[in-house]
Amino acid sequence: DGGITQSPKYLFRKEGQNVTLSCEQNLNHDAMYWYRQDPGQGLRLIYYSQIVNDFQKGDIAEGYSVSREKKESFPLTVTSAQKNPTAFYLCASSIDGLSYEQYFGPGTRLTVT
Amino acid sequence: QKEVEQNSGPLSVPEGAIASLNCTYSDRGSQSFFWYRQYSGKSPELIMSIYSNGDKEDGRFTAQLNKASQYVSLLIRDSQPSDSATYLCAVNPNSGNTPLVFGKGTRLSVIA
Repeated sequence: DGGITQSPKYLFRKEGQNVTLSCEQNLNHDAMYWYRQDPGQGLRLIYYSQIVNDFQKGDIAEGYSVSREKKESFPLTVTSAQKNPTAFYLCASSIDGLSYEQYFGPGTRLTVT
Repeated sequence: QKEVEQNSGPLSVPEGAIASLNCTYSDRGSQSFFWYRQYSGKSPELIMSIYSNGDKEDGRFTAQLNKASQYVSLLIRDSQPSDSATYLCAVNPNSGNTPLVFGKGTRLSVIA
């Protein structure tokens, strides 16, 4: 059963702590993406990766870091430098590059207090 | 800056009516257009894609594309309360090496 998984669904952290959000896909997609969504707002692109060991900053990369060591995995670390980390984080993938339709995982809701 | 504009809504329609959602984009060379549905608290789900001028129908959904006027629309026939969601328009910029640009979405409310 192919798809994108994100874990955990809910995550709670204290301010000042780094936290890593998991994203795994078994669709054999080349490109993967991370978005942030705040309540009532649209999607904002954090980072994206077209191939293994390569990734690019999106519109709001400050305070975040990523890695792409395997095609299937694209973890996102929210660092303590991110001023307002509480948000809904969405991972997506697309089959063969950036111009194709994206498929989304179920998301991780991060709350930092 | 490539832009995709949508009316934020809410767009309220009675059950059984046609809901019309519109999206305009700034990059004249865009080639691929997508509609996503996002229920409250959930992730976006791809419901339609369109690449050529004209209409594309899939069940109760019809996507319409007019590249000359730079707009794409989504019609939902026989609207149901279960169609109540936010609908996101996404456009592939002409540059070819940048990700899709998403609009902020239109919230649709279907009233029973």
